[in-house]
Amino acid sequence: QSVLTQPPSASGTPGQRVTISCSGSSSNIGSNTVNWYQQLPGTAPKLLIYSNNQRPSGVPDRFSGSKSGTSASLAISGLQSEDEADYYCAAWDDSLNGPDYVFGTGTKVTVL
Amino acid sequence: EVQLVETGGGLIQPGGSLRLSCAASGFTVSSNYMSWVRQAPGKGLEWVSVIYSGGSTYYADSVKGRFTISRDNSKNTLYLQMNSLRAEDTAVYYCARDNRLVVAGAAGAFDIWGQGTMVTVSS
Repeated sequence: QSVLTQPPSASGTPGQRVTISCSGSSSNIGSNTVNWYQQLPGTAPKLLIYSNNQRPSGVPDRFSGSKSGTSASLAISGLQSEDEADYYCAAWDDSLNGPDYVFGTGTKVTVL
Repeated sequence: EVQLVETGGGLIQPGGSLRLSCAASGFTVSSNYMSWVRQAPGKGLEWVSVIYSGGSTYYADSVKGRFTISRDNSKNTLYLQMNSLRAEDTAVYYCARDNRLVVAGAAGAFDIWGQGTMVTVSS
């Protein structure tokens, strides 16, 4: 069961800026770094942002991440048609039973 | 080339068992934290299990006591043994590498993913 809450959908026209929010709690986002994944239709997820705001090699700088308290956000600037995908935030949760990696509910981005 | 390839999925009856394999190339499984993540049809991502480089293992509550994660260092392969399968275990199962031991400043993100293998639990 998802512990991190995201809006189900977001959209924009080519070139616009789109922002996706991710809300958690003190045991996950409040205590650990946030990662973001992009999942194109029919493919495996791809790491987009790690440690709140770091981009892996090859990820365009149009994608940026930030975190404040128990919330995080992903921004896509200069939206392109190939950005149409599902986006998930995620973080480790300091569960009493041991490590638990929690994903967000997912946001479907549509390019109009 | 750094990659992960999962195999072993299929159709299995409720209560049955299945073992998934995840063969790695380009890096050493035993030197990394490795996880399994699943995605039910049309649903979001759900973390299943992790094995640390030191061998410690942890599970999501939904699979605890039924699934076992392991690895074969000689084959550079990760496994997920799934017992007492239920309809709600139906999903695409992905293996993934955690980047915290290979990327400076990383705190645990999944940077390498396999293509996934479908498990369908149905009578």
